[in-house]
Amino acid sequence: DTGVSQNPRHKITKRGQNVTFRCDPISEHNRLYWYRQTLGQGPEFLTYFQNEAQLEKSRLLSDRFSAERPKGSFSTLEIQRTEQGDSAMYLCASSLQKQRVYEQYFGPGTRLTVT
Amino acid sequence: AQTVTQSQPEMSVQEAETVTLSCTYDTSESDYYLFWYKQPPSRQMILVIRQEAYKQQNATENRFSVNFQKAAKSFSLKISDSQLGDAAMYFCAFTEYGNKLVFGAGTILRVKS
Repeated sequence: DTGVSQNPRHKITKRGQNVTFRCDPISEHNRLYWYRQTLGQGPEFLTYFQNEAQLEKSRLLSDRFSAERPKGSFSTLEIQRTEQGDSAMYLCASSLQKQRVYEQYFGPGTRLTVT
Repeated sequence: AQTVTQSQPEMSVQEAETVTLSCTYDTSESDYYLFWYKQPPSRQMILVIRQEAYKQQNATENRFSVNFQKAAKSFSLKISDSQLGDAAMYFCAFTEYGNKLVFGAGTILRVKS
């Protein structure tokens, strides 16, 4: 049983460029979540999917951010026209919704640096 | 809006001793779930322990236990027999029905040998 994986682990980009991150959840997990974590802070929720449906988006998720989960498997998070304030760790988590079991399992994260 | 507050930015404990990390939360719901996650330096978030609000009994996992006070909206984590490997950032988190997790700001735990 492999855990949640994220690629790339590190991304350095110049302001104004687009970046895309990928998350592969634990197989058979039907929910997938994206969070953003800045240094020394707790993760902040961005969005989540149940299967391929995007059920909730945070107000933190500006129009420059878009997430997809085609076919309910892996997910991508794209940031367009990156800004220095987008520099953070982007965490993905997955869970299996059944019978009041709500633990989320996290991936190692993608650290984004915008120069 | 749900909020989670961890009032201790940093704690220290001597190896083999016991330490308690504090967490309070705010919600209008009666059914919810609380978690403690551990994030070692440069490593990924690991679930330490969970508590269902409808259960009165406090959860325990080996050396980790919680003190859940629903009326006071308090959820503290006790680590017994502290080990060097316990050094990490600890986050308290809250969720309703498996939706988004709301995290506190975290407590850095340092373990002295």
